[in-house]
Amino acid sequence: ETGVTQSPTHLIKTRGQQVTLRCSSQSGHNTVSWYQQALGQGPQFIFQYYREEENGRGNFPPRFSGLQFPNYSSELNVNALELDDSALYLCASSSGSGTEAFFGQGTRLTVV
Amino acid sequence: RKEVEQDPGPFNVPEGATVAFNCTYSNSASQSFFWYRQDCRKEPKLLMSVYSSGNEDGRFTAQLNRASQYISLLIRDSKLSDSATYLCVVNRGSGTYKYIFGTGTRLKVLA
Repeated sequence: ETGVTQSPTHLIKTRGQQVTLRCSSQSGHNTVSWYQQALGQGPQFIFQYYREEENGRGNFPPRFSGLQFPNYSSELNVNALELDDSALYLCASSSGSGTEAFFGQGTRLTVV
Repeated sequence: RKEVEQDPGPFNVPEGATVAFNCTYSNSASQSFFWYRQDCRKEPKLLMSVYSSGNEDGRFTAQLNRASQYISLLIRDSKLSDSATYLCVVNRGSGTYKYIFGTGTRLKVLA
């Protein structure tokens, strides 16, 4: 087990709704990254948080937003859900500096 | 062109076979490299880091060629349990330690 936990594990939402996904990072890790993995594709970087500040963002629209808390846990928020947002959302924690990242089990989001 | 490219496979090999996966990356500023393994509908799990000097972990050997921007993974004596998708991962560094993933190579080891 990596010690990275995500909730919920599965979620079904309707187009146009908003969703919040949560991630608890591994003890001692101050960096959390979020990824979206569509079926048959590799994970795509959404954004990264380091010590509560956004530290880089991928090619995702502003309706994807996030937070990191003082205990380094993190949230991913998606507004105005679209059908194409259906994917596995992965959270990864690391201690930064190019070290290995460890993934949570993911949240499978289905937008109908 | 994708920043990290892998042959998606699938590679179907018999138990005991040796199989090699290749990966190329386009950003010469990339700083660290990894192979992850992902089982169906599960999260990616770190298999091994990849160093220029090459590294080995049991049946697995990884190699990095910075000049050719090429990463490889060799699996010897394949087991049924090796069946999974293998993701090549490149970390750009430069202040944002974001991983760029390949699409993955599917391996199926057959009895």
